[in-house]
Amino acid sequence: DTGVSQDPRHKITKRGQNVTFRCDPISEHNRLYWYRQTLGQGPEFLTYFQNEAQLEKSRLLSDRFSAERPKGSFSTLEIQRTEQGDSAMYLCASRLSGQPTDTQYFGPGTRLTVL
Amino acid sequence: AQKITQTQPGMFVQEKEAVTLDCTYDTSDQSYGLFWYKQPSSGEMIFLIYQGSYDEQNATEGRYSLNFQKARKSANLVISASQLGDSAMYFCAMRETYNQGGKLIFGQGTELSVKP
Repeated sequence: DTGVSQDPRHKITKRGQNVTFRCDPISEHNRLYWYRQTLGQGPEFLTYFQNEAQLEKSRLLSDRFSAERPKGSFSTLEIQRTEQGDSAMYLCASRLSGQPTDTQYFGPGTRLTVL
Repeated sequence: AQKITQTQPGMFVQEKEAVTLDCTYDTSDQSYGLFWYKQPSSGEMIFLIYQGSYDEQNATEGRYSLNFQKARKSANLVISASQLGDSAMYFCAMRETYNQGGKLIFGQGTELSVKP
């Protein structure tokens, strides 16, 4: 049973560039979540998918952010026209809905630095 | 609005001793779940333990136990027999009610340092 994987692990970009991150959830998990974590803070929810449907987006997710999960498997998070304030750790988590504990399992994260 | 509060930014514990990390929460929901995660310097969030709001017994997982006091809205994590590898950030989190998608709300974390 492989865990959640994320790619890349680190990304350094210049302000104004676009970046895309990928998340591969645990294979049978139908729910996939994206969180953002800035230095010294706990993760904050961005968006989540049930299968391929994006069911909720946080107000933190400005229109520069877009997420997809085209076939209900892996997901991508794209940030357009990056700003220095986008520098953070982007965490992906997955779970199987309907389980008693609803535990989310996290990937290793993608650390984004915007110069 | 649901909220998680962790009032200890940093804690020190001697190796082999027990330590308690505090977590209080605020919710008006009757059904909720509480989680603790460990985040080493590598960044990955590692699930430790879960407590459901209707669970009558405190959850335990190996050296981890959750001291759940529902009336006081607290869910403290107890780590027994601390090990050097326990040094990390620890986050308390709450799951919203099921029909709201199950997203987690996290506290600000406690940095635990285990001294040899």
